[in-house]
Parts: sequence; structure tokens; C-alpha cells
Amino acid sequence: DIVMTQSPDSLAVSLGERATINCKSSQSVLYSSNNKNYLAWYQQKPGQPPKLLIYWASTRESGVPARFSGSGSGTDFTLTISSLQAEDVAVYYCQQYYSTFLTFGGGTKVEIK
Amino acid sequence: QITLKESGPTLVKPTQTLTLTCSFSGFSLSTTGVGVGWIRQPPGKALEWLALIYWDDSERYSPSLKSRLTITKDTSKNQVVLTMTNMDPVDTATYYCAHTALSPSRWFGPWGQGTLVTVSS
Repeated sequence: DIVMTQSPDSLAVSLGERATINCKSSQSVLYSSNNKNYLAWYQQKPGQPPKLLIYWASTRESGVPARFSGSGSGTDFTLTISSLQAEDVAVYYCQQYYSTFLTFGGGTKVEIK
Repeated sequence: QITLKESGPTLVKPTQTLTLTCSFSGFSLSTTGVGVGWIRQPPGKALEWLALIYWDDSERYSPSLKSRLTITKDTSKNQVVLTMTNMDPVDTATYYCAHTALSPSRWFGPWGQGTLVTVSS
């Protein structure tokens, strides 16, 4: 299995400030034949199911605000919220889909400072 | 608009078999490339992928749970059914179904609201 490790476990950011979440995979999720990173990001607000934010490591799902961006390649990835809003309080998960056996990270909780 | 909804028992006893149904609309599981997955989340914990089924009846299972899981589909009813045998209290979780697609696009979205299953005697 590909193990996905997120850091930090939680972070508190002031409104309007940047939030940065990291995700590391135990092996590369970059597929050389198409040069795509097989990584997605989800947002889960309290009491709600997860919502897809980003796929291919950096492609925003339709309707996702531009303040959310994904970056990275190979084994190291980052989700950045450029200017934190109150409605962004949530747990964020990464997921690899490189392997047949899909795996998620442990989650990062984002709160307001 | 794609929607999914999970249904099934809220309480099962240890050793029993759990059967969950995912009813969906807005897409067809007879369309090439389409799939439905199951993911669970123990209270306060992270997401865990369980199983996938595709339009062509191909199935994928989490290696750690493969021996206990069966996923099937009823295309005419727009439903996917997950069965999990030999339930244990550690299987207490919210169980989600979600739309997905064939590799390489195997991310999940949208998701159902989830159904909480408690395993207790």
C-alpha cells in the first residue's frame, strides 16, 4: 500500500492569512507516461461528507474558490488556502489514486486563530 | 446533478453481516468508465477506502478487508450494495458511497451524506 502522511495534524490560522497543509506519499504517485500526479484533496466540514477540491494534484474541481491551490510532485504535495475564510474551517484529506488500492492521509484540521 | 444516498441498519451485533445500499441518481452504472466506491470513517478518525465497482462489473477491494467485503450493482435500480461479514466493534463508522470513474480518474465526488453504523451487542 502507498501510505499517505499529512502534516501538521492541525493548525490555527488567522482570518485572511495563508494556510498550508502538507501530504507525503511513501512512493511516487507521478505517472511518467502522462506526467500526472495521481493525488486528490478533499475538504470535510463538521457533520458533512468530504467534498472534492483538487485532483491531478493541482486541478481545481468546478466551483472551488481560487484561494484553494494544490502543488507538488512525486512524493511531496501541498494544499494552500491563500486567504483563510471562516467557511474554510474543516478537516482536509489527501488521497492517492496511483495504486489500485486507494489510500487517504490522516487529515489536517484547520481552525481559526 | 449527481446525488447518492446510503441506507442500511444503524446497529448491528458483533459477528453479524452488514448490508448497505447506495442509491444514486444523475448517472448510470451502465455508462463506460463510471464507478461507485465505498469509504468509511470511524468517529473522529480518518477516511478509509473499502471497495469499488465499475460499469463493467469489475471490482476492487481494500487488501486488508477483501476477505470480508462484497460489492455488487443493480444497474436497473441505480443501486450498489456493499456487504461486510463478521462485523466487530472496530467497524463502527460512518459509511459513505461516492461517484468515481475508471483509472486514471479514481478520485471521489460527489459523496453521499453517509450512514453511521454502530457495532455493539
